Amino acid sequence: GENVEQHPSTLSVQEGDSAVIKCTYSDSASNYFPWYKQELGKGPQLIIDIRSNVGEKKDQRIAVTLNKTAKHFSLHITETQPEDSAVYFCAASWGGGSNYKLTFGKGTLLTVNP
Amino acid sequence: DAMVIQNPRYQVTQFGKPVTLSCSQTLNHNVMYWYQQKSSQAPKLLFHYYDKDFNNEADTPDNFQSRRPNTSFCFLDIRSPGLGDAAMYLCATSQPSNAGADTQYFGPGTRLTVL
Repeated sequence: GENVEQHPSTLSVQEGDSAVIKCTYSDSASNYFPWYKQELGKGPQLIIDIRSNVGEKKDQRIAVTLNKTAKHFSLHITETQPEDSAVYFCAASWGGGSNYKLTFGKGTLLTVNP
Repeated sequence: DAMVIQNPRYQVTQFGKPVTLSCSQTLNHNVMYWYQQKSSQAPKLLFHYYDKDFNNEADTPDNFQSRRPNTSFCFLDIRSPGLGDAAMYLCATSQPSNAGADTQYFGPGTRLTVL
């Protein structure tokens, strides 16, 4: 089955700096890569996703890049703010409906210091 | 706003006492999922429903059951909770589309404490 590795496990940056979280996946059939932000005591919130037919997607301060050949994808957060502090999970999946499985990375605890 | 709602947000039960967690959705999605998330870990899929079709993960203990009486509601039943079942339980939904793999939307979770 699919295996997703996520690095780093913890990341501390100064407010205004950029943060990058990287994930690799093992199953070349995976074609959908969401990123979730989870604040303490809350459910994961989808912040951005990318499908395998594109290499990059951007939404304001957040961007995701995908390298299908190398089987890795990354989350980039620019101009970080204290409210960006949370645990971020990458995930990979293929298929849909009853065949749909979402495999998560182990998460990255991002701390943005004021 | 359309959303995934979980009740209660916090549940305390005693060792061995059955407990039911509930999830409802206003998104009208066909697929509903239950995940278990322990501290500092990624969510772990327990099972999911595609409409009325139940799909159990191979490593989900028999102690965990689920019911989906209609499109909007899904329940997680823990028949005899053990101390190891203390965790955050997350409900998620998705809607199949021609875009490929489905986007999952999560509820706020129910934090279960077992005494």
